[in-house]
Amino acid sequence: DGGITQSPKYLFRKEGQNVTLSCEQNLNHDAMYWYRQDPGQGLRLIYYSQIVNDFQKGDIAEGYSVSREKKESFPLTVTSAQKNPTAFYLCASSINWQGTNEQYFGPGTRLTVT
Amino acid sequence: AQSVTQLDSQVPVFEEAPVELRCNYSSSVSVYLFWYVQYPNQGLQLLLKYLSGSTLVESINGFEAEFNKSQTSFHLRKPSVHISDTAEYFCAVADRGSTLGRLYFGRGTQLTVWP
Repeated sequence: DGGITQSPKYLFRKEGQNVTLSCEQNLNHDAMYWYRQDPGQGLRLIYYSQIVNDFQKGDIAEGYSVSREKKESFPLTVTSAQKNPTAFYLCASSINWQGTNEQYFGPGTRLTVT
Repeated sequence: AQSVTQLDSQVPVFEEAPVELRCNYSSSVSVYLFWYVQYPNQGLQLLLKYLSGSTLVESINGFEAEFNKSQTSFHLRKPSVHISDTAEYFCAVADRGSTLGRLYFGRGTQLTVWP
């Protein structure tokens, strides 16, 4: 079964700790994306990667970091510098960077920081 | 930068009633348009998209959307909704010819269908 997996589904952390969210895809897609979803805010782009070993900041990259060492993996680290990290995080991928292509989404990770 | 406005944050309707979810965008270039659906605690799924050609596009579950260039709109409609259509719906745009391949999302419309 091809798709995107995100783990874990729920994650709890104490304030001041870094946390890494996993995103893996077996669709052989070049492009991958991280979004943050807050109630009433829609989806906001954190980082995206058009190809392995390359990534760009999205609209709200401060306090986050990513890596793209393998085509199938695009982990997101939420650092202690992120002022309000509690949110629902969605990873997505598409065949390539062209705007015509559908983005496929993972099931999301709900992060709670207390 | 693109801007996508979904005019209604919540739309409650009764089962079998028609529904329209509104989406307007602003852009200095031509765009591709998408509607995605999100069921509770899940990721998003593509519902339908407009790339070119006929301005009326349809999904397999009875939704349709019409691209209106003069009004910069892409409203989503269904003539008769089911309880299973209860979900959040997101309108999104992408720039034609962009090398970035990113989507710009609206804030979403929660559709709730009552029996």
